Amino acid sequence: EADIYQTPRYLVIGTGKKITLECSQTMGHDKMYWYQQDPGMELHLIHYSYGVNSTEKGDLSSESTVSRIRTEHFPLTLESARPSHTSQYLCASSDYRGQETQYFGPGTRLLVL
Amino acid sequence: GQQLNQSPQSMFIQEGEDVSMNCTSSSIFNTWLWYKQDPGEGPVLLIALYKAGELTSNGRLTAQFGITRKDSFLNISASIPSDVGIYFCAGQVDSSYKLIFGSGTRLLVRP
Repeated sequence: EADIYQTPRYLVIGTGKKITLECSQTMGHDKMYWYQQDPGMELHLIHYSYGVNSTEKGDLSSESTVSRIRTEHFPLTLESARPSHTSQYLCASSDYRGQETQYFGPGTRLLVL
Repeated sequence: GQQLNQSPQSMFIQEGEDVSMNCTSSSIFNTWLWYKQDPGEGPVLLIALYKAGELTSNGRLTAQFGITRKDSFLNISASIPSDVGIYFCAGQVDSSYKLIFGSGTRLLVRP
């Protein structure tokens, strides 16, 4: 069982609002990831981090930003939410030792009205 | 870019039946992972495979890392209603920390 947490689990918000999705893990993993997933569809990597003060954009372009000030914490921020941002956001972490095994949090379902 | 082809896209089976799904790619992977996702939840890791030819079981689940390193399959024996969900394969390409995900197999089990 992976110890990775996301809050909030569900968020309904109006257009133009700033939001931060929280992700934290207690496993001491260096690597953390954010994925975007529409219901029942495949996962798309939007951000990743190899460690503190390291962040990179993923394969899917996203208007969100991330920060990694502490190993255990990897928040994602949308400065101005739009309906096109409606989706599920999944956080994951891994302890890369030559072969990648990622553990996922429960996700945040975001609805922008 | 690299792609994983996962099939079948969906399956609707009778409780007690065995299930098989697979993923193939034109790229060589050094890790294959299988996840199950319930609606509104994050994917849960079922089985991790790290060596070509490796066959690993987790209860009623069995997965294999193809010998060519370009494919993997997952079998579920004697399916039960709680097996319902979406199953994703994911592969790691050499020298990359990133995973590539299949498009998922949606499994429905009729009691």
